[in-house]
Amino acid sequence: AQTVTQSQPEMSVQEAETVTLSCTYDTSESDYYLFWYKQPPSRQMILVIRQEAYKQQNATENRFSVNFQKAAKSFSLKISDSQLGDAAMYFCAYRVIQGAQKLVFGQGTRLTINP
Amino acid sequence: DAGVIQSPRHEVTEMGQEVTLRCKPISGHDYLFWYRQTMMRGLELLIYFNNNVPIDDSGMPEDRFSAKMPNASFSTLKIQPSEPRDSAVYFCASSFMLAGGDTQYFGPGTRLTVL
Repeated sequence: AQTVTQSQPEMSVQEAETVTLSCTYDTSESDYYLFWYKQPPSRQMILVIRQEAYKQQNATENRFSVNFQKAAKSFSLKISDSQLGDAAMYFCAYRVIQGAQKLVFGQGTRLTINP
Repeated sequence: DAGVIQSPRHEVTEMGQEVTLRCKPISGHDYLFWYRQTMMRGLELLIYFNNNVPIDDSGMPEDRFSAKMPNASFSTLKIQPSEPRDSAVYFCASSFMLAGGDTQYFGPGTRLTVL
């Protein structure tokens, strides 16, 4: 069974600094998607960034980028120039490309931004 | 685009009562998902539909839970009878397979409290 592990229950960073959130996963599949979702206090789940496993290039979305290490089954999220609005729970998620459509989520990392 | 719409946003009920949660997916999306979020179990898939047909309901915890999708623009999740352990945030999400289908868009969630 696929599992996703986020080993950092909480992280904090100073505003304008850079922070990296860790995620590892376990799968026997070769083709899959990986995602980072953000959940602010409003509870809304917001997609931050996605990565296709068959792409070697790391995905980037403005201040958000990932470090995807397929062999190590690692998928970390880097937030540059942290802003107060980045404070939220961050969830790493996995989904196979073929077959079951369900997202498998990690337990989440609570990110605090210190002004 | 209005995004995924869920109602109600909050529901407080007493044990034994029937609860119905509603979801309107993004227009044109052909997949619909129901997730539940609790502190103990995190985010977990309950059931998902493809073109209004239930595909995987293995996450539905008990026979007290049922879900329907009578048409492409509406789905319900019903709990009857409700129990205090059903208290959670219930999310509906939708996606469009032909557009890659890899990104699920979440609604704002329904916070259910069973007393």
